[in-house]
Amino acid sequence: AQSVTQPDIHITVSEGASLELRCNYSYGATPYLFWYVQSPGQGLQLLLKYFSGDTLVQGIKGFEAEFKRSQSSFNLRKPSVHWSDAAEYFCAVGVYNNNDMRFGAGTRLTVKP
Amino acid sequence: SQTIHQWPATLVQPVGSPLSLECTVEGTSNPNLYWYRQAAGRGLQLLFYSVGIGQISSEVPQNLSASRPQDRQFILSSKKLLLSDSGFYLCAWSVGTSSYNEQFFGPGTRLTVL
Repeated sequence: AQSVTQPDIHITVSEGASLELRCNYSYGATPYLFWYVQSPGQGLQLLLKYFSGDTLVQGIKGFEAEFKRSQSSFNLRKPSVHWSDAAEYFCAVGVYNNNDMRFGAGTRLTVKP
Repeated sequence: SQTIHQWPATLVQPVGSPLSLECTVEGTSNPNLYWYRQAAGRGLQLLFYSVGIGQISSEVPQNLSASRPQDRQFILSSKKLLLSDSGFYLCAWSVGTSSYNEQFFGPGTRLTVL
């Protein structure tokens, strides 16, 4: 079965600084990869997803992620973080012909003024 | 447009009491439905998913159960709650047979078992 690891439990960045959240997956074939964001006490919202094609994926709120097959990674990036980006971020992996999706443990982002 | 509802939003229950959490989806037909639990400081754990009425797949053996009495209704239940059942419960839906189709999440239910 597929699995995903988010190595960083908590990250703190200053407002205006760049951000990179790490995600590593385990699956034998090409996976479907997702990043979701969860504001405190809320459900999850999709930021972006990768299926095939261009390995650099643009999402909402100025986020992007890059699929690197050789590293089994799908890291999320943002060039300049805003205070409203403070939230928990989840990477998820799905596979073809299976509607099961596996989520990482999440990375909590704190933004300093 | 599609919407997903969960209730109640918060719930405080004593150990040993029963549980019923409800999730309904509007604006779509024959959705796949999911129950996740998010314990404090942990990620999302898939509990159950359903691809149709009466079809339930359980991912984790536990004292919880799920039912899908109607196409767009998904219920999470327990006969006797444990302290370890505390957490944030999320319902989600998707369409199609591939997980390329994103899941849409409800607002969640915060359950505290005392």
